[in-house]
Amino acid sequence: AQKVTQAQTEISVVEKEDVTLDCVYETRDTTYYLFWYKQPPSGELVFLIRRNSFDEQNEISGRYSWNFQKSTSSFNFTITASQVVDSAVYFCALSERGQGAQKLVFGQGTRLTINP
Amino acid sequence: DSGVTQTPKHLITATGQRVTLRCSPRSGDLSVYWYQQSLDQGLQFLIQYYNGEERAKGNILERFSAQQFPDLHSELNLSSLELGDSALYFCASSVTPETGAQPQHFGDGTRLSIL
Repeated sequence: AQKVTQAQTEISVVEKEDVTLDCVYETRDTTYYLFWYKQPPSGELVFLIRRNSFDEQNEISGRYSWNFQKSTSSFNFTITASQVVDSAVYFCALSERGQGAQKLVFGQGTRLTINP
Repeated sequence: DSGVTQTPKHLITATGQRVTLRCSPRSGDLSVYWYQQSLDQGLQFLIQYYNGEERAKGNILERFSAQQFPDLHSELNLSSLELGDSALYFCASSVTPETGAQPQHFGDGTRLSIL
């Protein structure tokens, strides 16, 4: 069965610190997709990144970077030089290649607070 | 702005009542998904439609039902409401569900409060 674990329930750091959010997943499929979503205090879910199981290259987008390691079933998210606007709940999610169906399995989320 | 529109934003009602949540997907997206976010269960997949047909079902209660109309908008109907149904209900859409690779773009959610 699919499962996503975000062991860090809450993280609090001071602005400009780097912070890494952990995500560990379980799946029996060889083809799958991993996602990160951000839920700011206003409540909406914002798509950040998608990674497929064949591509283990790390990705960087501005202050955000993602480290995908198939060997440890992890897809971690790092924010460099954090800012107060990064305060949000971050969700890691997994979907498997299906026959015309796709559901996202979410982790429990990590609440990130960036203090000024 | 994700392009997914959900109405209403807030809904307050009483136990035993029935409500309908509405979702308009992003232009060009054929697949619609419903999720429930509650404090105890987290974000849970409820149901998926693709071009009017049901494609996948998650932990959706029998009291809940959904449909997708020819214009691709979708409605989630919740009946015989209980206190535990209080949650944030999200709709998401994607271009197609065929590969599983398409990111789902979420609406702002409907916050349902049962008194």
